[in-house]
Amino acid sequence: DAGVIQSPRHEVTEMGQEVTLRCKPISGHNSLFWYRQTMMRGLELLIYFNNNVPIDDSGMPEDRFSAKMPNASFSTLKIQPSEPRDSAVYFCASSLWGGRAGANVLTFGAGSRLTVL
Amino acid sequence: AQRVTQPEKLLSVFKGAPVELKCNYSYSGSPELFWYVQYSRQRLQLLLRHISRESIKGFTADLNKGETSFHLKKPFAQEEDSAMYYCALRDGGSQGNLIFGKGTKLSVKP
Repeated sequence: DAGVIQSPRHEVTEMGQEVTLRCKPISGHNSLFWYRQTMMRGLELLIYFNNNVPIDDSGMPEDRFSAKMPNASFSTLKIQPSEPRDSAVYFCASSLWGGRAGANVLTFGAGSRLTVL
Repeated sequence: AQRVTQPEKLLSVFKGAPVELKCNYSYSGSPELFWYVQYSRQRLQLLLRHISRESIKGFTADLNKGETSFHLKKPFAQEEDSAMYYCALRDGGSQGNLIFGKGTKLSVKP
């Protein structure tokens, strides 16, 4: 398995533009998480899904942020409109929840580094 | 409230010196704790988890329920250990989510 795959790896955009980040979780994993990493706040959970259903989106900063998981192998995180304070590294992670204990570990993607000018 | 505290933002040691990265947690139930490592501009990787009681790359961590701590230790630091280290606690109310500390940047000098 290629692991958790995120795209794009780097995105530079101007304030007000729409940004879409993509994630392909590990095949067979049933939980997917979006985290944001900044120097000031560290790693923050934005939202997570279980069996494609959003379970907790309380970490989503505001209505400009939205996330979807249309099927078990794909998720998107959208920011519209983007602002400079959204600049961060966005990580996607997946895990197998409910499986044997050793499998229930978060595996992270390489991250998408977003810069909003 | 569930919380993970890593009191040191930066820890700098010389090669060969012992290193201890501190982690304290707040959790009412039976905790499940992890250490993740992030090398420069790379993804977070699981380093170890307390239920495995293993040693990875010379690192160990012991869960101390009395002190609510899960400190990461290594007797002899190597330059390649330089990285960000995150302590994480399984969120008991979720399907597998982890609550992360703010991280400690370990710098091992030659």
